[in-house]
Amino acid sequence: GAVVSQHPSWVICKSGTSVKIECRSLDFQATTMFWYRQFPKQSLMLMATSNEGSKATYEQGVEKDKFLINHASLTLSTLTVTSAHPEDSSFYICSNGAGGLDEQFFGPGTRLTVL
Amino acid sequence: AQTVTQSQPEMSVQEAETVTLSCTYDTSESNYYLFWYKQPPSRQMILVIRQEAYKQQNATENRFSVNFQKAAKSFSLKISDSQLGDTAMYFCAFMKGFGNEKLTFGTGTRLTIIP
Repeated sequence: GAVVSQHPSWVICKSGTSVKIECRSLDFQATTMFWYRQFPKQSLMLMATSNEGSKATYEQGVEKDKFLINHASLTLSTLTVTSAHPEDSSFYICSNGAGGLDEQFFGPGTRLTVL
Repeated sequence: AQTVTQSQPEMSVQEAETVTLSCTYDTSESNYYLFWYKQPPSRQMILVIRQEAYKQQNATENRFSVNFQKAAKSFSLKISDSQLGDTAMYFCAFMKGFGNEKLTFGTGTRLTIIP
């Protein structure tokens, strides 16, 4: 199956700073990528759908100005958490929409801790 | 909007026994996929099994099988001959359409295999 990588795997930052998380589709050109957030002991909740070459689609309740998504190429989508606060501490997971296939492939996730 | 419900937050079973995890869903879509994903302590999401809604035959993958009851909107996972490596969080997920769509996850079931 398709391989998805994320970088960094974990990050600790101070409150008020911005953090960028990269999601790469290593062997598949993904026109669509999905960003999920998972709080401790909870399920995955979709934050936004990233579309190559166009604006991302955000789920209700997700601040688009706080969680900036850029999908500039078919293999890379980035999520930037701007002015991060402790409540943004979570596990962020991306997946690629494997264009027409019936399976998504997930990255290993990024653990964000905001102090 | 779709909803996915997993009513068993935690389950445990002796090694080599069989266990069934429950999942119900609600949708007005006619074309969709259902999935079971496994999330071990590493938190990497791993696809266990998928079911196309238009297929009447229940999907099987080695020790894993599903009982798909479309009219009842039920999608349970049976794990036979359970192994210690099956210990993980299990998420039921829904995807509408024929692919490249977002996933809606249930709240998960924490499964522990007891040696």
